[in-house]
Amino acid sequence: AQSVTQLDSQVPVFEEAPVELRCNYSSSVSVYLFWYVQYPNQGLQLLLKYLSGSTLVKGINGFEAEFNKSQTSFHLRKPSVHISDTAEYFCAVSAMTTDSWGKLQFGAGTQVVVTP
Amino acid sequence: NAGVTQTPKFRVLKTGQSMTLLCAQDMNHEYMYWYRQDPGMGLRLIHYSVGEGTTAKGEVPDGYNVSRLKKQNFLLGLESAAPSQTSVYFCASSPILYEQYFGPGTRLTVT
Repeated sequence: AQSVTQLDSQVPVFEEAPVELRCNYSSSVSVYLFWYVQYPNQGLQLLLKYLSGSTLVKGINGFEAEFNKSQTSFHLRKPSVHISDTAEYFCAVSAMTTDSWGKLQFGAGTQVVVTP
Repeated sequence: NAGVTQTPKFRVLKTGQSMTLLCAQDMNHEYMYWYRQDPGMGLRLIHYSVGEGTTAKGEVPDGYNVSRLKKQNFLLGLESAAPSQTSVYFCASSPILYEQYFGPGTRLTVT
């Protein structure tokens, strides 16, 4: 089984400042890693994913994340946020096994509030 | 191309009533999933399907049933609604095992 911990439930940040959202996971097998964003009253949208290869992954809207296998972390970063980045962000993992069927295990979410 | 759609968008039920939530996708995806989202708990998997005619239990299946008679549709049923089932329900579909596309959600309140 897998578990995901998002270390901050809420992150306030000023516009044009950098932001980092922390995600740690535990799993007995290798995993794929994802970050999703949920804007108010909407569904989830994929920001980026790590499947294999380079540990630095770039996604949409200027976000990037780094996979650290030794620390079992997948932290999300953006160097300069906009008001429009106000949203809830979810880290998720999926076991790298054929019988996982792509099932996602989500963290509890981090609410990012960007103020002018 | 509508992607993943969910019907209805909102619903209020009384305890003991039944209802069916419909998820439809027009992307010819094999895999479909139902999640519920509760504050501070992220999304939790209720049931999923890996193809037409197949379903399986997820993390929180109790009180729900599902059916996938057609590849494009995945139905979630509540036979006897309880206040604990007040939640936002999301459907997702996937063409492969590592990218899911989510619908806009259904907000259900059980009184």
